[in-house]
Amino acid sequence: DVKVTQSSRYLVKRTGEKVFLECVQDMDHENMFWYRQDPGLGLRLIYFSYDVKMKEKGDIPEGYSVSREKKERFSLILESASTNQTSMYLCASSLDRGPTEAFFGQGTRLTVV
Amino acid sequence: AQTVTQSQPEMSVQEAETVTLSCTYDTSENNYYLFWYKQPPSRQMILVIRQEAYKQQNATENRFSVNFQKAAKSFSLKISDSQLGDTAMYFCALRNDYKLSFGAGTTVTVRA
Repeated sequence: DVKVTQSSRYLVKRTGEKVFLECVQDMDHENMFWYRQDPGLGLRLIYFSYDVKMKEKGDIPEGYSVSREKKERFSLILESASTNQTSMYLCASSLDRGPTEAFFGQGTRLTVV
Repeated sequence: AQTVTQSQPEMSVQEAETVTLSCTYDTSENNYYLFWYKQPPSRQMILVIRQEAYKQQNATENRFSVNFQKAAKSFSLKISDSQLGDTAMYFCALRNDYKLSFGAGTTVTVRA
């Protein structure tokens, strides 16, 4: 079974802190994604990556950056956390760009105080 | 640009009955893929069904089926013989190339 693991299920950070959310997949998938999930807004794409060191902005990249130094790991970085970044963050991976299924992590509930 | 719109925030259905969730999308691409995902209270996202845009035949997976209308850019999900375990949030998703976008979701509650 494919496993996508996010480093934390719950995280509380202070405003202005630099925050790292880590995601690791174990199936050699090309494609990885970061979303944030907010009530009424669904899943909004922050960044995605289709290969090591390759990244593309999603629909809401402002205030975020990403890093993919190894194929299995995709990190989301909040350079200076703000209260409006309080949200559920979901990582996903898929084999390639075809009709293949995306597998999701359990999510990280981030609260910025 | 690509967008996915789900206009029904919540739906309720009696056990054993049928419910249909709507989804419309917009893309300038001709080759793309559509999906429905389920997110139960456990939060774990699960693929329900997928459809390749070049296939005219509607996909089915057991009690789940879609009505894919390419010209109208519509992709609805029908859940037949609803079960209590179907209670979840359902997301419609569109993949173009490497980008995978989701809609706002529809919360489905199955009543006993």
